[in-house]
Amino acid sequence: AQTVTQSQPEMSVQEAETVTLSCTYDTSESDYYLFWYKQPPSRQMILVIRQEAYKQQNATENRFSVNFQKAAKSFSLKISDSQLGDAAMYFCAYRSSNTGNQFYFGTGTSLTVIP
Amino acid sequence: KAGVTQTPRYLIKTRGQQVTLSCSPISGHRSVSWYQQTPGQGLQFLFEYFSETQRNKGNFPGRFSGRQFSNSRSEMNVSTLELGDSALYLCASSLMTSGRFGEQYFGPGTRLTVT
Repeated sequence: AQTVTQSQPEMSVQEAETVTLSCTYDTSESDYYLFWYKQPPSRQMILVIRQEAYKQQNATENRFSVNFQKAAKSFSLKISDSQLGDAAMYFCAYRSSNTGNQFYFGTGTSLTVIP
Repeated sequence: KAGVTQTPRYLIKTRGQQVTLSCSPISGHRSVSWYQQTPGQGLQFLFEYFSETQRNKGNFPGRFSGRQFSNSRSEMNVSTLELGDSALYLCASSLMTSGRFGEQYFGPGTRLTVT
């Protein structure tokens, strides 16, 4: 089974600064998707960004960008110009293109934004 | 378009009882997945349904079961509740386009407490 590892249980960043959250995964497949989800306290989980493995270009969504290193099986999330509203639990997730719609999630990184 | 809805939002049950949770996906989404979220274990995949068929199942005991109806609404049932079943149960739906699934959209969850 695929595994997703987030080695940073907690991170903190000063408001307006940049922070990078790490994620590694283990798979033998070549076609898959990677995602970052955000779960604010007591709120719903929402998608931050997605990356298709066949695309070499790193995905970007406004202040959020990823560094996708396929050979290293690494998928880090960079948050630029951090805002107080970015404080949340962030989950990295993997989904194969071949085995239906089963997602594998990491254990999450709790991000604190310091004013 | 309405998001994923889950009912009830909060539930308190006694050990040994059974419980049924409901999930209504986004209109047009035929894939529904269920997850158990606990502080210690993170998000653990329970099962996934597509067009009324269970396509993937996580590593949970047979006390956990589910089904999907023709309108894509899904229910999850837990029988003989144990204290360890206390968790946030999340439902997520996905749209299939051209044979590929999109990202998962999550509901707000049902907070189950077993006493």
